[in-house]
Amino acid sequence: ETGVTQTPRHLVMGMTNKKSLKCEQHLGHNAMYWYKQSAKKPLELMFVYNFKEQTENNSVPSRFSPECPNSSHLFLHLHTLQPEDSALYLCASSLPGQGYGYTFGSGTRLTVV
Amino acid sequence: GENVEQHPSTLSVQEGDSAVIKCTYSDSASNYFPWYKQELGKRPQLIIDIRSNVGEKKDQRIAVTLNKTAKHFSLHITETQPEDSAVYFCAAINTGTASKLTFGTGTRLQVTL
Repeated sequence: ETGVTQTPRHLVMGMTNKKSLKCEQHLGHNAMYWYKQSAKKPLELMFVYNFKEQTENNSVPSRFSPECPNSSHLFLHLHTLQPEDSALYLCASSLPGQGYGYTFGSGTRLTVV
Repeated sequence: GENVEQHPSTLSVQEGDSAVIKCTYSDSASNYFPWYKQELGKRPQLIIDIRSNVGEKKDQRIAVTLNKTAKHFSLHITETQPEDSAVYFCAAINTGTASKLTFGTGTRLQVTL
């Protein structure tokens, strides 16, 4: 593992389900990110958190709800998703404002049926 | 904000040949430029990076060059091998002011035997 752990690795959910993705890092980083990766948009930034505060929401639909209870944990709560939301969801962390040591988790492969 | 363009989107080379991937950036204040490699089904991983006070950096078969005047940087892979097949992402950041890396759209490199 890289120091950034994502669970689950795979998730299949119906459009009416509610599920959550989890990201955890033990690298001492204070910035965490959610990315969506699909064939159409290789690395699409969704949310940025610095010191637990959301600093960027890249016009993400409200059916995606992030939560950052502390600098080591990041969640993405999912509800009433659409099939086009099927993608690989990647979490990353770094030292804020640095870009150095930008480390990705292995991702959650989400399939919405 | 920063905008990073990456070319080509796909690249096929024969084993042993060289591969070059090019990126341009828009913010002249950007000062850190990492490159990530993402193998199929895996997470993006940092393979090399360069800071704006350096024009070239090399690590075995991989090298990166930076032209600050033209605002472009390139990844060079020599003596390509099948295991170099992956998607490569360039990125840029102004570490003094920005909160996140801005990624290019990726290059799918295929090394054929």
